[in-house]
Amino acid sequence: DTAVSQTPKYLVTQMGNDKSIKCEQNLGHDTMYWYKQDSKKFLKIMFSYNNKELIINETVPNRFSPKSPDKAHLNLHINSLELGDSAVYFCASSQDRGEAFFGQGTRLTVV
Amino acid sequence: AQSVTQLGSHVSVSEGALVLLRCNYSSSVPPYLFWYVQYPNQGLQLLLKYTTGATLVKGINGFEAEFKKSETSFHLTKPSAHMSDAAEYFCAVSSGGYQKVTFGIGTKLQVIP
Repeated sequence: DTAVSQTPKYLVTQMGNDKSIKCEQNLGHDTMYWYKQDSKKFLKIMFSYNNKELIINETVPNRFSPKSPDKAHLNLHINSLELGDSAVYFCASSQDRGEAFFGQGTRLTVV
Repeated sequence: AQSVTQLGSHVSVSEGALVLLRCNYSSSVPPYLFWYVQYPNQGLQLLLKYTTGATLVKGINGFEAEFKKSETSFHLTKPSAHMSDAAEYFCAVSSGGYQKVTFGIGTKLQVIP
């Protein structure tokens, strides 16, 4: 039973398209995150939600819009995709100050 | 504010040799500290964590780390490297507040046969 699952695992799309990545956690955690990992493996937090409330938005272009329908789900919608959006996007969840549990990642390639 | 510095983006060791990956942190409050490992094309997996109490923490796969407040360090060690240890390692810090976890840039560990 996967703790944090995200879909799809791979996403190849053309510039200008709109795409979504879904994330679900079954750990009962209150906090969920989206991280972006670039080609140099640098992990940068994009968003954090706590009990469906946005608490961190780290200077991410407004083409990126997270949505949390409930505390177990955090989806990421990206409008007007650009070449520079190509990266691996990780969903994660945590509870209190505990460790973050990560999904397997979504490798987004914009062509 | 919180931050993590990992010294050495690439570390090479021989199989059977000591592994030492360095991590220094900055935090305005007592930190929670973590080491994660990432194998190719996979997500991050927790190796070990320090919250409070004993400063020497043991993790999975024979890794351990020591929290040294005076040096603001949390270096990761393993006495004897194995080929399967080759991966990317991330140090991370959480200072509470909005529960944000900040990661270092990662250290790629290469194990030479």
